[in-house]
Amino acid sequence: DGGITQSPKYLFRKEGQNVTLSCEQNLNHDAMYWYRQDPGQGLRLIYYSQIVNDFQKGDIAEGYSVSREKKESFPLTVTSAQKNPTAFYLCASSLGSQETQYFGPGTRLLVL
Amino acid sequence: SQQGEEDPQALSIQEGENATMNCSYKTSINNLQWYRQNSGRGLVHLILIRSNEREKHSGRLRVTLDTSKKSSSLLITASRAADTASYFCATDARSNYQLIWGAGTKLIIKP
Repeated sequence: DGGITQSPKYLFRKEGQNVTLSCEQNLNHDAMYWYRQDPGQGLRLIYYSQIVNDFQKGDIAEGYSVSREKKESFPLTVTSAQKNPTAFYLCASSLGSQETQYFGPGTRLLVL
Repeated sequence: SQQGEEDPQALSIQEGENATMNCSYKTSINNLQWYRQNSGRGLVHLILIRSNEREKHSGRLRVTLDTSKKSSSLLITASRAADTASYFCATDARSNYQLIWGAGTKLIIKP
């Protein structure tokens, strides 16, 4: 089945710890995105990548980092510099920029 | 400020009734999209309408676009309990290839 997967479903972070959220797609999409969603809110863009080995900061990139070494994969690292990381993180991909986006099921990050 | 803003923020109706939600935006667009999000899940694309289109249908969904008023509406006819979700609009107005998302309308269908 084609689609976009995220893991884990739930992730717990200790103070001062970096954690990495996985995002994989087999849709052969060039563009991939990471969003943060807080309760009852819309999506805020963290990072996006239009092509392998290239990515750009979104509106709230501070405290986060990404890599795009393979077309299929776009992992997000939440660093210790992100002081309020508790949120629902959504990964998406699209064939081209500003086209229909396909979303993964999300990862809920909680701080211990 | 947000490009897309949905109205109302929340809507509660009886099963079988029609639900209408609106999206307003500020700058010119090429297209506008509507997505649905069930609680705790990822978003699902519903429909894309381009700036040269006025109306589009998909099953029980009807989307209209009025570029002169910079607004769009999503109508769900004969609502079902399974339609309970949050609905988001997204526009492509920015030049840096991003979509801009509204805060969403939370729709509750009462049995």
